[in-house]
Amino acid sequence: GENVEQHPSTLSVQEGDSAVIKCTYSDSASNYFPWYKQELGKRPQLIIDIRSNVGEKKDQRIAVTLNKTAKHFSLHITETQPEDSAVYFCAASLYSSASKIIFGSGTRLSIRP
Amino acid sequence: DADVTQTPRNRITKTGKRIMLECSQTKGHDRMYWYRQDPGLGLRLIYYSFDVKDINKGEISDGYSVSRQAQAKFSLSLESAIPNQTALYFCATSFGNTIYFGEGSWLTVV
Repeated sequence: GENVEQHPSTLSVQEGDSAVIKCTYSDSASNYFPWYKQELGKRPQLIIDIRSNVGEKKDQRIAVTLNKTAKHFSLHITETQPEDSAVYFCAASLYSSASKIIFGSGTRLSIRP
Repeated sequence: DADVTQTPRNRITKTGKRIMLECSQTKGHDRMYWYRQDPGLGLRLIYYSFDVKDINKGEISDGYSVSRQAQAKFSLSLESAIPNQTALYFCATSFGNTIYFGEGSWLTVV
């Protein structure tokens, strides 16, 4: 079955700097890679996703990149702000099956003022 | 946004007791899920249901059971709770590939 590894488990960056969270997946059939953000005490929410037919996707200060050959995908946050402090989860699945979404173990991102 | 509502939000129970977590949704989604969140282990799928007559085991179903009482209701039961079932539990629905989580239920087994 699919296995998703996420690194680092904790990350602290200065406000205004960039943050990068990396994930690897094991099943080459996976073709959908969402990222969820969980603020303290709240529920996880989808912030961005990418399908395997594209290599990069951007939405304002966040971007995701995908390297299918290496089975790597990453979340990039630029110009970090205090509200970016949260736990971030990567995930992988077949696009046709939300039931098969496998989550990474999460990265706790802290933004230092 | 209380489209996916879980009760209770917090519960402390004793080892060996039966506990039920309830979930209701107003999103009109057919697919519902129960996840468990543990520090350092991410979100793991316990059970999922695509409609009232469809129940499927997820990654970690042992020690849990579910009931889909209606399209909008999906409950999770721990028949005999044990301390390592202490965790944050999320009910969720999905539309397409997007998962919509409830607010979570903290369960502590002592």
